[in-house]
Amino acid sequence: NAGVTQTPKFRILKIGQSMTLQCTQDMNHNYMYWYRQDPGMGLKLIYYSVGAGITDKGEVPNGYNVSRSTTEDFPLRLELAAPSQTSVYFCASSRGTGAGRLYGYTFGSGTRLTVV
Amino acid sequence: SQELEQSPQSLIVQEGKNLTINCTSSKTLYGLYWYKQKYGEGLIFLMMLQKGGEEKSHEKITAKLDEKKQQSSLHITASQPSHAGIYLCGADYSGNTPLVFGKGTRLSVIA
Repeated sequence: NAGVTQTPKFRILKIGQSMTLQCTQDMNHNYMYWYRQDPGMGLKLIYYSVGAGITDKGEVPNGYNVSRSTTEDFPLRLELAAPSQTSVYFCASSRGTGAGRLYGYTFGSGTRLTVV
Repeated sequence: SQELEQSPQSLIVQEGKNLTINCTSSKTLYGLYWYKQKYGEGLIFLMMLQKGGEEKSHEKITAKLDEKKQQSSLHITASQPSHAGIYLCGADYSGNTPLVFGKGTRLSVIA
């Protein structure tokens, strides 16, 4: 099983450019998440989805957009990139509530983004 | 103020020594997750605690959740270089909302 796959692994963007961070999972998980990790700051939730067609904002959604057209894919779109969006981005998935939460989240290996 | 506090922020231990990392919540936890992150990589799920007073072990790592369900500790016995990395706790406050993570504890194990 591939688990959660993120692409690209590294990217350098110029201020004002746009890009999409790809995330796909092959575990048939309903729940998917996008977090960003800044040095010494832990993980901050950007957006999450409880199923295809349903998305919701997290703690730091400004400057980002998401869509969830299929169970497998949860892309994160950056519009008009800013230096403050320099970070490591992690996508994760989980089985959901109840017993599904016993197994925690499965994380991708991350996308390291630099905006210059 | 931060909902979830981890301490210490960083830790350097000699190989073979024991260590403890703490995670304290300002609110009662529904569940508490521990993850390990190797430098430059994603997070690996270690353990999940849900009941007050619960304790779980995996190899040389033991995690506990206090009776009040507001504090958890992660204890590593006889540390090895393979234990080095960043340990993060993740709080589940309701059972159906995304996890809130602490800032992490960076562990280095030296020979």
